[in-house]
Formats: sequence, structure tokens, C-alpha cells
Amino acid sequence: DVVMTQSPLSLPVTLGQPASISCRSSQTLVHSDGNTFLNWFQQRPGQSPRRLIYKVSNRDSGVPDRFSGSGSGTDFTLKISRVEAEDVGVYYCMQSTHWPLTFGGGTKVEIK
Amino acid sequence: QISLKESGPTLVKPTQTLTLTCTFSGFSLGTNEMGVGWIRQPPGKALEWLALLYWNDVKRYSPSLESRLTITKDTSKNQVVLTMTNMDPVDTATYYCIHRQGDGDYGLWGQGTLVTVSS
Repeated sequence: DVVMTQSPLSLPVTLGQPASISCRSSQTLVHSDGNTFLNWFQQRPGQSPRRLIYKVSNRDSGVPDRFSGSGSGTDFTLKISRVEAEDVGVYYCMQSTHWPLTFGGGTKVEIK
Repeated sequence: QISLKESGPTLVKPTQTLTLTCTFSGFSLGTNEMGVGWIRQPPGKALEWLALLYWNDVKRYSPSLESRLTITKDTSKNQVVLTMTNMDPVDTATYYCIHRQGDGDYGLWGQGTLVTVSS
């Protein structure tokens, strides 16, 4: 299985300040078709996960542009340019290139 | 508009078989590239893929749970059913179904259903 390693585990952030979450995979996520299927999900307290980013850097409809994804191969990053109160929750990366699909362990974003 | 909703028992006893149903709307599992998967999340823990069913009836299972899982579909009812045998307290989790729209494209989740395994 592809192991997805996220860091940090917990991320206290001051409102209005940037935040960055790292996700590393144990093998390349480049698919045979050339796409890299790396996704980012946000899970607010008590809610089901919501996808923010797909194929490394594509924002889903309705996702604020303060969220951005980058990276390639085995090394990926989710950035929030200015954290808002509604961004509190747990963020997961997920690879959908290889079966079984696998998630990172999650990063809890909280306000300082 | 696509939506999915999970249903099933909230409490099962150890050794029993769990049967969960995902009822969806806004797409057909008869359409190329569509799929429905199941994911679970133990309380306070991370997410784990369980199974995936494609439009062409190809099925994929988590290698670690494959012997206990069966995923099936009823295209006419827009439902996907997951059964898990020999339930154990460690299987206590919220179970989600998720929509597959194409290669690598897993965007929409159901609300989830909490299943507790206890005698």
C-alpha cells in the first residue's frame, strides 16, 4: 500500500496568518496516464469530509481561493493564505492513483 | 445534483454481519466511469478505504479486509450495498459512501452512519 505521511499532526494558527500542510507518499503518485491523483479534504467538526483540491492543484467549485495545492511526484503541500475561523478542522490528503486508495493521518488546524 | 446517503444498523453485536446501504441520486451506476466506494473512520481516527464498485461491476477491496467484505449494486434502485462479516468492536466507526466520477476523481461523500459494535 502507498503510505501517505502528513505533517504536522497539529497546526495552531493565528487568524489571518498563513498555514501550510505537507503530505508525502511512499511512492510516486504519477498515474500511467500522466495525471497525479492527489486530493485534499477538509473535515470540519461533526461533518463528513469535503474535497478542496484534486489532481494536486485544482480547486473544487466553491472552495475559497485562499486554499491552494502544489507539489509533484511524492511531495505535496496544501496552503491556506490567510486562515479564517471557518477553516478549523482536520485536513487529509488522499492518493487515488494506486489501489488501495490511501489517506494521510490528518492535520488538525486550530486557532491560537 | 449528486447526493449519497448511508443507511443501516447503528448497533451490531460481535461476530454478526453488518449490512450497509448507500442510496444515491444524480447519477447512474450504469454510466461509464461511475463508481461508488465505502470508507470508514473510527472515532477520533483517520480514514480508511474499504471497497469500490465500478459501473462495469468490477469490484475492489482493501487487501486487509477483503475476506470479510462484499460490495454489490442494484442499478435500478440506485443503491450500493456493503456487507462486512464477523464484526468486532474495533470495527466501530462512521461508515461513508463516496462517489467516483472518473479516474482518480472522488469528490462527493454521504453524511456517514455511525456503527457501534458491542455486546
